[in-house]
Amino acid sequence: QVQLQESGPGLVKPSETLSVTCTVSGGSISSYYWSWIRQPPGKGLEWIGYMYNRGSSDYNPSLKSRVTISVDTSKNQFSLKLSSVTAADTAVYYCARGTTAYSRSWFDYWGQGTLVTVSS
Amino acid sequence: DIVMTQSPDSLAVSLGERATINCKSSQSVLYSSNNKNYLAWYQQKPGQPPKLLIYWASTRGSGVPDRFSGSGSGTDFTLTISSLQAEDVAVYYCQQYYSTITFGQGTRLEIK
Repeated sequence: QVQLQESGPGLVKPSETLSVTCTVSGGSISSYYWSWIRQPPGKGLEWIGYMYNRGSSDYNPSLKSRVTISVDTSKNQFSLKLSSVTAADTAVYYCARGTTAYSRSWFDYWGQGTLVTVSS
Repeated sequence: DIVMTQSPDSLAVSLGERATINCKSSQSVLYSSNNKNYLAWYQQKPGQPPKLLIYWASTRGSGVPDRFSGSGSGTDFTLTISSLQAEDVAVYYCQQYYSTITFGQGTRLEIK
């Protein structure tokens, strides 16, 4: 059974860089597209971007200038960095698994999410 | 970006009755080369991540009860719960993956 677990600091100061890591267990991180999705408290879902092994990545144009997604296959982890954060970046950050065949797809496994609050 | 608009924003249905949630995309999500609609549905309960219900507009995800069904094509889609159970109380989202992934604003489903 595939499981995803997010980890990272719960509090980030404005203008700093938010970093969150997703550890995948029960399956290899290779051969799938892996995404980050966020949800501000009480609001809807926003796709941030995806990573495929070390080969390709793509980001939501609205966040592209501030986002980096990377993968560490040796640890079966992938990570999100979001720079120059403001209070508007306060959200629950989810990692999720896409498919093997499509860079854009549905998400069949999700982590439980980690709340990141941006505040001084 | 493709804008996904769900209706209604909230819905109250009696146990055992049918629940219908609509999702409209600002442009077609039907890919002509494979005749597939790039549309998924999710269920989210409080404090939990979304759970996949439907992909390709009408294919149920693994382990999803058959009371959940998806229909529609092009720009107009529907999620139907044929006989509402108490455990179906949740917020439901549609998602398109035809281009930059976007989600609907969500529909809150409650028991009447």
